[in-house]
Amino acid sequence: SAVISQKPSRDICQRGTSLTIQCQVDSQVTMMFWYRQQPGQSLTLIATANQGSEATYESGFVIDKFPISRPNLTFSTLTVSNMSPEDSSIYLCSAGLAGDQGTQYFGPGTRLLVL
Amino acid sequence: GQNIDQPTEMTATEGAIVQINCTYQTSGFNGLFWYQQHAGEAPTFLSYNVLDGLEEKGRFSSFLSRSKGYSYLLLKELQMKDSASYLCAVPFSGGYNKLIFGAGTRLAVHP
Repeated sequence: SAVISQKPSRDICQRGTSLTIQCQVDSQVTMMFWYRQQPGQSLTLIATANQGSEATYESGFVIDKFPISRPNLTFSTLTVSNMSPEDSSIYLCSAGLAGDQGTQYFGPGTRLLVL
Repeated sequence: GQNIDQPTEMTATEGAIVQINCTYQTSGFNGLFWYQQHAGEAPTFLSYNVLDGLEEKGRFSSFLSRSKGYSYLLLKELQMKDSASYLCAVPFSGGYNKLIFGAGTRLAVHP
């Protein structure tokens, strides 16, 4: 398995501002992903973070709103841009290990509240 | 398209057995995952099934029937700490490692 850390663990932000969330994995992984989990709901995939290239976004999510970086195999960032209260959610990073049947391991999440 | 259905909530008694069902529709099946998520915490991996049948792992077992598009998670000797949400997930069609999650089943274990 992989151990995944995220920073910050939580934040309260003003609308119109941006927040960058960091995700660090303790070993080299093939795939990294960003999910959103709104209160009381399940996880929704935002995008796949690709190393050295642009992220692949799922329907309903765009790069201008959620820019993602992955400069190497163990680190990724997600920025939530021009925030509104609707962006209040938990943002989770996950990592998939090559040859591990596609199993994903999750970071502890970042709780974001936008006022 | 892809679709995953799970019951929203279940309750059970400490020491009992509970079965959480999951039905799915997907093209190009690449396995099914179960995750446990305690309130306010990240999901943790429980099991992965890609072949039909029952996989046992201590108090937890997971079953898969590919022909029926059906899986269940069986929890035995329930403990209070098993109170959590249980998420069923399958890979996106044609997507390596990308998962689509069901809405989750909130299990409450009572004394």
